[in-house]
Amino acid sequence: DQQVKQNSPSLSVQEGRISILNCDYTNSMFDYFLWYKKYPAEGPTFLISISSIKDKNEDGRFTVFLNKSAKHLSLHIVPSQPGDSAVYFCAATGYSTLTFGKGTMLLVSP
Amino acid sequence: DVKVTQSSRYLVKRTGEKVFLECVQDMDHENMFWYRQDPGLGLRLIYFSYDVKMKEKGDIPEGYSVSREKKERFSLILESASTNQTSMYLCASSFPATGGSTGELFFGEGSRLTVL
Repeated sequence: DQQVKQNSPSLSVQEGRISILNCDYTNSMFDYFLWYKKYPAEGPTFLISISSIKDKNEDGRFTVFLNKSAKHLSLHIVPSQPGDSAVYFCAATGYSTLTFGKGTMLLVSP
Repeated sequence: DVKVTQSSRYLVKRTGEKVFLECVQDMDHENMFWYRQDPGLGLRLIYFSYDVKMKEKGDIPEGYSVSREKKERFSLILESASTNQTSMYLCASSFPATGGSTGELFFGEGSRLTVL
């Protein structure tokens, strides 16, 4: 049973526009959510996180929104840059290890 | 800067061989993890460890074992490699987060294993 779902395997965006990556979860015990970015042949790197006591967290061009009632979070990248092209993983935790989604490949074209 | 180092970036092994994947972290993290990444399947947890000599099964432990004899080192062992274990293997470490859940993970660069 997939507890963290990223339903879009890929997303294409033009440089300068907004990228919105979505993530849904099913486990009500999750209270901390993270986004990781992964380039090919490299390990994932932490991007941004949000606690369930917040509904928004911002870090430069990256903003994560959390809607607890809908069990949904999204990552907004504004403006998108070609260097943002990577696989983005959503992850969640509540009491133990991180559970990852399957990832969304973002392609930002010039 | 946190550094998680995986001993081999690329390995090619034959079916039935014993395979060791080594991981070392230099930040005195209590928690260490082994994941595998496969296209369309995301990151799946194989084993993790909260302390020296301790190990816990993750979501897909079958066919794998681990060893944590020192705090900084966590090894993944494939006792008898099979072709379905061809994958990217990722080691990670973290401090414990508050409330007992896992804090932010720091990943190594990955080990691409091909089993022929």
